[in-house]
Formats: sequence, C-alpha cells, structure tokens
Amino acid sequence: EDQVTQSPEALRLQEGESSSLNCSYTVSGLRGLFWYRQDPGKGPEFLFTLYSAGEEKEKERLKATLTKKESFLHITAPKPEDSATYLCAVILPTGNQFYFGTGTSLTVIP
Amino acid sequence: NAGVMQNPRHLVRRRGQEARLRCSPMKGHSHVYWYRQLPEEGLKFMVYLQKENIIDESGMPKERFSAEFPKEGPSILRIQQVVRGDSAAYFCASSPVLAAGNTIYFGEGSWLTVV
Repeated sequence: EDQVTQSPEALRLQEGESSSLNCSYTVSGLRGLFWYRQDPGKGPEFLFTLYSAGEEKEKERLKATLTKKESFLHITAPKPEDSATYLCAVILPTGNQFYFGTGTSLTVIP
Repeated sequence: NAGVMQNPRHLVRRRGQEARLRCSPMKGHSHVYWYRQLPEEGLKFMVYLQKENIIDESGMPKERFSAEFPKEGPSILRIQQVVRGDSAAYFCASSPVLAAGNTIYFGEGSWLTVV
C-alpha cells in the first residue's frame, strides 16, 4: 500500500539549533516528492519539488534531499519564523493525486 | 491576488443543511483538486477536476458530496445534509496541467463547522 510517513511528529528546537525532518515513502515509481509548509489557519505553501534520487534543493535555511526511500528537510540555524507544520507529499502512480504525510510540527524557541 | 481563491473562509452550518464551498484557480490553471483536512490528520484527496470534467473522484464520500468545475465560474464542492463529522478544513489546489510531475498550489482553505 502506498504510504508516506513523516517523523518526528513534533520537534522543538532552540533558535540556531540545526536539525532534519524525515519523510519516508513506499510509493513505487515515484513521479515527484513535494515539501510544503503550513501555518495555523492557512493553506499549504509550496517549498520544493524533488524528482530523482540524489537531487537536492535549497531555499534560505532549508535544504531538501531525496534518496530512493526517503527525503530529508534540513533546517540550518532555524529562526522562530520557521515554526510551522512541514508536509511531505508524493504523486501516486495514477498521476492524479498527491498523497500527503501527517506532517512534522516544528517549534523554534527564541 | 493571483493565487488560488477560496470562499467562504469560514462557514457554520446546522446539521442537515447544505454547504457550498467555492474555489477559483490561479490564473492560467485549468486543473482543480479538493482536499480535506481533519483535526490532527493529514490532507486527504477528495476529487480532481478539469473544466466540465471530473477526472478522479476516488476520494469523495459516496453520498452527500459532489463537485463541479463549470466552463465559466469557480469550482464548487457541495455537501448536502451536513453532519458533525463533516467539520473540517477544505482546501482547493490548482495546477496548469496534469498533476503528474507538476506542483499544485493551494488556497487558504474553507473551514466548515457543523453545529
């Protein structure tokens, strides 16, 4: 069964304390892996798309990487404004659906 | 605002009433997706539409829920005879072409509360 699992469920970091969020998937024939950020009461905001193992994307303090089984979202020297829920999604083989994990809730403490 | 527009942002309905949620895709986008997010749960796919066509409705409940995307006007998600369990955030997303390999962009959501 296609599945996306994100860990940890919640993460508290001190400002400046770097860490990584994990997204493991079991979808066969991956057609794309996506990272989104969601703030409370808001819609998901697109961050990155990764298509093949070994690919990396960066944006400010965030860096996303992809292997054949999982993706990592690395957060370097986070700031309180990075606090949000980070969602990972994959495209199912039909191409019609994005399948989302349940997210990692990140809190960065000043 | 060139983003995905959803309205209403918040909607309160009594049990048994109808709820209509509207979504206008980003300019130039002809594909619309509806997702539902329950408290403490992830986003769940409901339906994928193109103009005047339902492409994939495998995530839609069999009863009371329907969606359309007419040639003119916004996409509408309609929930008839709402029940407490329908209380959730409903998100619309759009893309210019088929989702496969392409990013979908979300609106700010419509929060439905059934009392």
